Amino acid sequence: AQSVTQPDIHITVSEGASLELRCNYSYGATPYLFWYVQSPGQGLQLLLKYFSGDTLVQGIKGFEAEFKRSQSSFNLRKPSVHWSDAAEYFCAVKGFQKLVFGTGTRLLVSP
Amino acid sequence: DAGVTQSPTHLIKTRGQQVTLRCSPKSGHDTVSWYQQALGQGPQFIFQYYEEEERQRGNFPDRFSGHQFPNYSSELNVNALLLGDSALYLCASSLGLAGAPSSYNEQFFGPGTRLTVL
Repeated sequence: AQSVTQPDIHITVSEGASLELRCNYSYGATPYLFWYVQSPGQGLQLLLKYFSGDTLVQGIKGFEAEFKRSQSSFNLRKPSVHWSDAAEYFCAVKGFQKLVFGTGTRLLVSP
Repeated sequence: DAGVTQSPTHLIKTRGQQVTLRCSPKSGHDTVSWYQQALGQGPQFIFQYYEEEERQRGNFPDRFSGHQFPNYSSELNVNALLLGDSALYLCASSLGLAGAPSSYNEQFFGPGTRLTVL
């Protein structure tokens, strides 16, 4: 069965600093991978997705993620964090007619 | 173009009661999936509806049931509420089924319904 692990429950980053959120997945074949962001009281917004091809994918809001098959990872990165990036971030893998999510990483941005 | 809408926004119930949550899919979408997001957790798949039938179900008891109407809107019903049912319930819509490993139809999420069971 598919599964996703996000090892960091909370991460605090200074505004303007770089960010990397970790995601490891378990899936037998080539996975479809996603990063979503959830602001307080909001639903999930898709940041980016990986299906195949170039292992470095660009998303919205300046985010990117790199698929590394050898490490079963799909880490999310941003070169310079803004205060508005404070939110909960979820990594997900496509299962059979559903998405399987990790437990999320809460990003706090300090001034 | 309206996105996915859900109602109500918040709901408070007591143990043993029954609740119905509603979802209208994004215009042009015909498939609705429901997820439960407990506090501090990621969303967990409950079930998916397509052509008014339940197509796939996650690991949830029969107390959780659903329905899809001819206009593609959907309801989630939970009977005999437990304290542990307190969560944010998310609805996601997509176009068609994407069960095959090589296919994916993007799911668009609504803002959710916050259910509190006392």
